[in-house]
Amino acid sequence: AQTVTQSQPEMSVQEAETVTLSCTYDTSESNYYLFWYKQPPSRQMILVIRQEAYKQQNATENRFSVNFQKAAKSFSLKISDSQLGDTAMYFCAFMNRDDKIIFGKGTRLHILP
Amino acid sequence: ETGVTQTPRHLVMGMTNKKSLKCEQHLGHNAMYWYKQSAKKPLELMFVYNFKEQTENNSVPSRFSPECPNSSHLFLHLHTLQPEDSALYLCASSQDRGVWEKLFFGSGTQLSVL
Repeated sequence: AQTVTQSQPEMSVQEAETVTLSCTYDTSESNYYLFWYKQPPSRQMILVIRQEAYKQQNATENRFSVNFQKAAKSFSLKISDSQLGDTAMYFCAFMNRDDKIIFGKGTRLHILP
Repeated sequence: ETGVTQTPRHLVMGMTNKKSLKCEQHLGHNAMYWYKQSAKKPLELMFVYNFKEQTENNSVPSRFSPECPNSSHLFLHLHTLQPEDSALYLCASSQDRGVWEKLFFGSGTQLSVL
């Protein structure tokens, strides 16, 4: 069965610091898709970044980047120059070619002033 | 704002009540979804609609009844719920039902079943 594991239930960092959220997954498929979603206190989940497994280049969106290690089945999210507005729950998600999306349990991130 | 609106924002209901959750998207998307978010559990997909047709039901109990009258609206009718059904119910939409589609979520309905 495909699973997504986020080993850090909660994290806190100072504003302007860099923080890395970890995510590992388990699958026997070779082609799939990975996502990071953010859920701020408003509860509205927003796509942060996505990565196609067949692309070796790590995806980047402004201050957000991923470290995709396919062999290790690892998909970590790095937030650079963290801002107070980055405070949220972050969910790692995996989608296979059958369009089944599986979410991790999330990491609660606090950015401290 | 993501263009997906859910009402009500909060709902408290007894186990014998009947209520409905509403979701509306203003994005011209063809696919709509219901998700359940329980505390300390991963997000669970409940139902998928594509072009108004239900394409997926993830073994959801019949006390949850979805309805999709058109591509812009999605309802979740609730009847005889259990306390363990208390959760945040999220609606989402995407342009189409495809692997690479970006999901747009609403703010959810926080449901409490007493």
